[in-house]
Amino acid sequence: NAGVTQTPKFRILKIGQSMTLQCTQDMNHNYMYWYRQDPGMGLKLIYYSVGAGITDKGEVPNGYNVSRSTTEDFPLRLELAAPSQTSVYFCASSSLSGNEQFFGPGTRLTVL
Amino acid sequence: AQSVAQPEDQVNVAEGNPLTVKCTYSVSGNPYLFWYVQYPNRGLQFLLKYITGDNLVKGSYGFEAEFNKSQTSFHLKKPSALVSDSALYFCAVRLNRGQNFVFGPGTRLSVLP
Repeated sequence: NAGVTQTPKFRILKIGQSMTLQCTQDMNHNYMYWYRQDPGMGLKLIYYSVGAGITDKGEVPNGYNVSRSTTEDFPLRLELAAPSQTSVYFCASSSLSGNEQFFGPGTRLTVL
Repeated sequence: AQSVAQPEDQVNVAEGNPLTVKCTYSVSGNPYLFWYVQYPNRGLQFLLKYITGDNLVKGSYGFEAEFNKSQTSFHLKKPSALVSDSALYFCAVRLNRGQNFVFGPGTRLSVLP
């Protein structure tokens, strides 16, 4: 049982490039989330999903897109990378009871 | 709107002494409250939660937290701090299973040997 896995661990992008951050969970959780964590700040919710085929915006969705074609996977897409998207990105999941979240190890993204 | 405050950016405590990390919240309704810990270069790990029932909840690694409805607080405590407790601690709140989590800004705990 690997829990929540994220790839890559680190990435450097140039302004205007695109990339997809991968997130997979093997706990059969319905809820999945993407957060970003800026230095010295708490977590801000980017997008979330309550099940396959259903996604919704969080607090800071601009510049990002998501999809949820399966229960296990919840990729986050950056289409036109900007320096303001330099951050650490965390994926999380929780069960239908919706109590505690389980977090992945994070992806550290730098946009130059 | 839900919000969470952690009034201290940094808490320093000597090893063996009791520690408290403060959290206050603002929600319109009965909250679900959580504490998470983040070690360097790692994701957040769940410590404990309050859903209903006894106001004192016990969690992982000897931590506990006390829910105080009148003061809208959910302070994290441990009777005897360890150097290995040094980390970033986040308080979080949600209203019910249909709502998203709102995280506080985090408090950095340093336990000095």
